[in-house]
Amino acid sequence: DQQVKQNSPSLSVQEGRISILNCDYTNSMFDYFLWYKKYPAEGPTFLISISSIKDKNEDGRFTVFLNKSAKHLSLHIVPSQPGDSAVYFCAASAGEAAGNKLTFGGGTRVLVKP
Amino acid sequence: NAGVTQTPKFQVLKTGQSMTLQCAQDMNHEYMSWYRQDPGMGLRLIHYSVGAGITDQGEVPNGYNVSRSTTEDFPLRLLSAAPSQTSVYFCASSFRDGKLFFGSGTQLSVL
Repeated sequence: DQQVKQNSPSLSVQEGRISILNCDYTNSMFDYFLWYKKYPAEGPTFLISISSIKDKNEDGRFTVFLNKSAKHLSLHIVPSQPGDSAVYFCAASAGEAAGNKLTFGGGTRVLVKP
Repeated sequence: NAGVTQTPKFQVLKTGQSMTLQCAQDMNHEYMSWYRQDPGMGLRLIHYSVGAGITDQGEVPNGYNVSRSTTEDFPLRLLSAAPSQTSVYFCASSFRDGKLFFGSGTQLSVL
């Protein structure tokens, strides 16, 4: 049973508009969440993270929102750019100091149309 | 400027063969790990290490062995390859904060 789920396998958005990616988790021990971005034939790269003591974290065009009661987080990309076209993975761990023991979702493929 | 280096990039094996996937990092990261990526399933943790001489199992460890004799290297051994091990393998390293740096991956096919 997947503990981290990304229910939308793909998303298409017009350049300049907002992209919203969603992620749900079931394990109540998870308290640190990350988003990774992956281009074809490359390894994932870290994008943004959030600790459970916060409900929002912002880094430039990227904002992550966390709703602990709903066990739900989302990534907003504003404005979306063609270079944002990639697969995005949500990941979770039980503790920021859990090192590399991350549980990943299945990914959402984003296509930004010029 | 190398980061995490994985070799080989592609490999084809026959069922029952063994091989080692190499991984090296030059960032002095204490934590290293191996993940496999399968369609629709994201990345799943195979084995991880929190320092030289210390390894532990992840979510899907069966059929794989690891060792960590130095801080820099973390090879993954397939003992007797099976078609179910056809996948893309990623090595990663990090400090304790979970912000993993990934290699570019090894695409493995087992026939």
